[in-house]
Amino acid sequence: QKEVEQNSGPLSVPEGAIASLNCTYSDRGSQSFFWYRQYSGKSPELIMFIYSNGDKEDGRFTAQLNKASQYVSLLIRDSQPSDSATYLCAVNGLNTGFQKLVFGTGTRLLVSP
Amino acid sequence: EAGVAQSPRYKIIEKRQSVAFWCNPISGHATLYWYQQILGQGPKLLIQFQNNGVVDDSQLPKDRFSAERLKGVDSTLKIQPAKLEDSAVYLCASSSRDRAGGYTFGSGTRLTVV
Repeated sequence: QKEVEQNSGPLSVPEGAIASLNCTYSDRGSQSFFWYRQYSGKSPELIMFIYSNGDKEDGRFTAQLNKASQYVSLLIRDSQPSDSATYLCAVNGLNTGFQKLVFGTGTRLLVSP
Repeated sequence: EAGVAQSPRYKIIEKRQSVAFWCNPISGHATLYWYQQILGQGPKLLIQFQNNGVVDDSQLPKDRFSAERLKGVDSTLKIQPAKLEDSAVYLCASSSRDRAGGYTFGSGTRLTVV
């Protein structure tokens, strides 16, 4: 079982719709969760992080965490063509006292005009 | 604040040759990471430094890969000899000592081994 699993997609949504990206993780001890956006040919860019169960909103983005189900999601409201990218879910691994992010393979999002 | 600097941006080498990548983290960031990202996959951690000490190198192919971080600042990652399967983007990232907030990545070095 992979440590962090994502559907590779592509996930296709029309402009203005809500895009829902999902991620599951295997390590129950994980404490912090991150979403990165990666445009083609570019490096990953942090867009959100969440530590507590529930929702965290930042502009058009909402991260949702359910530790009991070991599930993290990212909702993008009013999707724009510029949101077309690969979205990487990352989980902070075993508590070593340092950050150590384990990444999923990413979900490719396509937003059509 | 200046970001994570990496060089070169691109490198093409023949198999069995050697190559080195350089990274300069954000000033004051004690933790430095090297990740390998193969096309279509997520980044995979190769090595993690805390200051100039290695925290985790469990996924570093030590028969061909080596890395160092002199004086706890800049770092170099070397591959010798390179194999075709080493073709990937090599990403350097840094973070501050506290555990919040995730990493900042550099622009990466795209390596092609032919």
